[in-house]
Amino acid sequence: ELKVEQNPLFLSMQEGKNYTIYCNYSTTSDRLYWYRQDPGKSLESLFVLLSNGAVKQEGRLMASLDTKARLSTLHITAAVHDLSATYFCAVPQIHTGTASKLTFGTGTRLQVTL
Amino acid sequence: DTAVSQTPKYLVTQMGNDKSIKCEQNLGHDTMYWYKQDSKKFLKIMFSYNNKELIINETVPNRFSPKSPDKAHLNLHINSLELGDSAVYFCASSRGGTGELFFGEGSRLTVL
Repeated sequence: ELKVEQNPLFLSMQEGKNYTIYCNYSTTSDRLYWYRQDPGKSLESLFVLLSNGAVKQEGRLMASLDTKARLSTLHITAAVHDLSATYFCAVPQIHTGTASKLTFGTGTRLQVTL
Repeated sequence: DTAVSQTPKYLVTQMGNDKSIKCEQNLGHDTMYWYKQDSKKFLKIMFSYNNKELIINETVPNRFSPKSPDKAHLNLHINSLELGDSAVYFCASSRGGTGELFFGEGSRLTVL
């Protein structure tokens, strides 16, 4: 059974600091997704990583994928308060042309303090 | 114009009642999903439909019955509600099996 683990589960960091969230998964996958969820809100797609070595950046966030190590990282550069949210990684357990059964990680709750 | 919309946003009901949640997407996607998020924020897939056909059916009590009248709509009916059904239910859609899901705002169900 596919297991997806994130660490840390909770991260409190000061504005301006850098940090990395890790996502490990237990079975082979060539793709991985990152989502953001604000309290009481929907999940927003952040990054779609489709191959080994994929790196994507959007503003202060950068995501990478190492399929051999079964590891993805989400790096935060010079954090700002607006980045406070819960971040989820997700890995497809089944992936067909018609549907993708995503297994989500436990989530990392990020709190950026002034 | 909301891409994936769910109604209602909140439901509060007694044990044993039946309730429905409706979902509509205007993204032109052909695959829709129901996910459940529990109180610890853990997300788990329940069902997936592709062009009105059930594709994924997780180990969900048969009190839960999804229905997709067309590829833009996916509804969830729950019979004989139990306390453990309290959660936030998210509808999502994707273009085929791309895996990039677009989520609705969620429907928070509270069973008393």
